[in-house]
Amino acid sequence: GENVEQHPSTLSVQEGDSAVIKCTYSDSASNYFPWYKQELGKRPQLIIDIRSNVGEKKDQRIAVTLNKTAKHFSLHITETQPEDSAVYFCAASPLNNNDMRFGAGTRLTVKP
Amino acid sequence: GAGVSQSPSNKVTEKGKDVELRCDPISGHTALYWYRQSLGQGLEFLIYFQGNSAPDKSGLPSDRFSAERTGGSVSTLTIQRTQQEDSAVYLCASSRQGGETQYFGPGTRLLVL
Repeated sequence: GENVEQHPSTLSVQEGDSAVIKCTYSDSASNYFPWYKQELGKRPQLIIDIRSNVGEKKDQRIAVTLNKTAKHFSLHITETQPEDSAVYFCAASPLNNNDMRFGAGTRLTVKP
Repeated sequence: GAGVSQSPSNKVTEKGKDVELRCDPISGHTALYWYRQSLGQGLEFLIYFQGNSAPDKSGLPSDRFSAERTGGSVSTLTIQRTQQEDSAVYLCASSRQGGETQYFGPGTRLLVL
């Protein structure tokens, strides 16, 4: 089955700086890569996802890049704000397959 | 439309008692997942239902844990003879089909005394 590793486990940045979280996966059949944000005491919520037919996707301050050859993908947050502070989870899955596995999470703290 | 709902939101029980946790997925979603999240930890996969197929129970930590999904909609996770280490938030998620975007419920916070 799929195995997803996520780094770093904790990340602290100054407001306005960029934050990068990286994930690697093991199953070359994986072709769907979502990112979830979980604020303290709340449910995980999808913030962005990417499918393997594209290498990069952007949505305002958030971008995700995918390198299928190296089997890794990254989340980039620019101009970070205190409200970006949360735990971020990456995941990988083959489409139409239940084998979606989550990374262990990254706790991001944005200091004002 | 309505999202994934779970009940109860909080449950306190005594060690050794059985508990039932309920999940109502988004209407029309064929896939349903249960996860466990201990304090400050990641998402531990427990079980997955897809349509009428046999569930994937590979994540259930022991035979005290079981789950059902009746009529392809509502699901119940049952923990028998609860132990203190079962204390966690139990999250349910649903998706249109397996491998697609999962939408999470608010979770049930279980505390076993």
